Amino acid sequence: DQQVKQNSPSLSVQEGRISILNCDYTNSMFDYFLWYKKYPAEGPTFLISISSIKDKNEDGRFTVFLNKSAKHLSLHIVPSQPGDSAVYFCAASDPGNYGQNFVFGPGTRLSVLP
Amino acid sequence: NAGVTQTPKFRILKIGQSMTLQCTQDMNHNYMYWYRQDPGMGLKLIYYSVGAGITDKGEVPNGYNVSRSTTEDFPLRLELAAPSQTSVYFCASSYSTNSPLHFGNGTRLTVT
Repeated sequence: DQQVKQNSPSLSVQEGRISILNCDYTNSMFDYFLWYKKYPAEGPTFLISISSIKDKNEDGRFTVFLNKSAKHLSLHIVPSQPGDSAVYFCAASDPGNYGQNFVFGPGTRLSVLP
Repeated sequence: NAGVTQTPKFRILKIGQSMTLQCTQDMNHNYMYWYRQDPGMGLKLIYYSVGAGITDKGEVPNGYNVSRSTTEDFPLRLELAAPSQTSVYFCASSYSTNSPLHFGNGTRLTVT
């Protein structure tokens, strides 16, 4: 049973528009959420995170929103650029699961069209 | 500062062969992890280590072994390769259990 779900395998967006990537989770013990970006033939790189005590975190063009009651988070990229084309993974952390507490979603492939 | 370095980048194994995937980090992180990624799936944790001399199983440990003799190195051993182990393997490290993971660039392994 997937504890972290990304129900859209792919997303295409025009350059300059907003990209919204969604993530749902089932474990109410998760308290720290991260987004990673992955280019082909490279490892995932950390993008942005949010703690469960907040509902929004911004870093430049990237904003993550957390809705704890709905167990849902989203990543907004504004404006989208062709260099943002990559696979985005949502991950969640369970502090009670010492040492092995990152659970990853299956990823969403974002294509930003020029 | 190289971060997390994995070797080799690619490998093809025959069924029953063995190999070691190497991982080293230069950030002095205590926490290290091995993940595998299959197509359309998230990363699955194979083994992890919270410090030199300490290792433990993750979600999918069968068919693998690890060791952690130093803070820097965390090799992953496949003893009897099987087609089900065809995957991309990522090594990662972190400063603490609740800080972001730093990943290597992966090893693409094919077992035929």
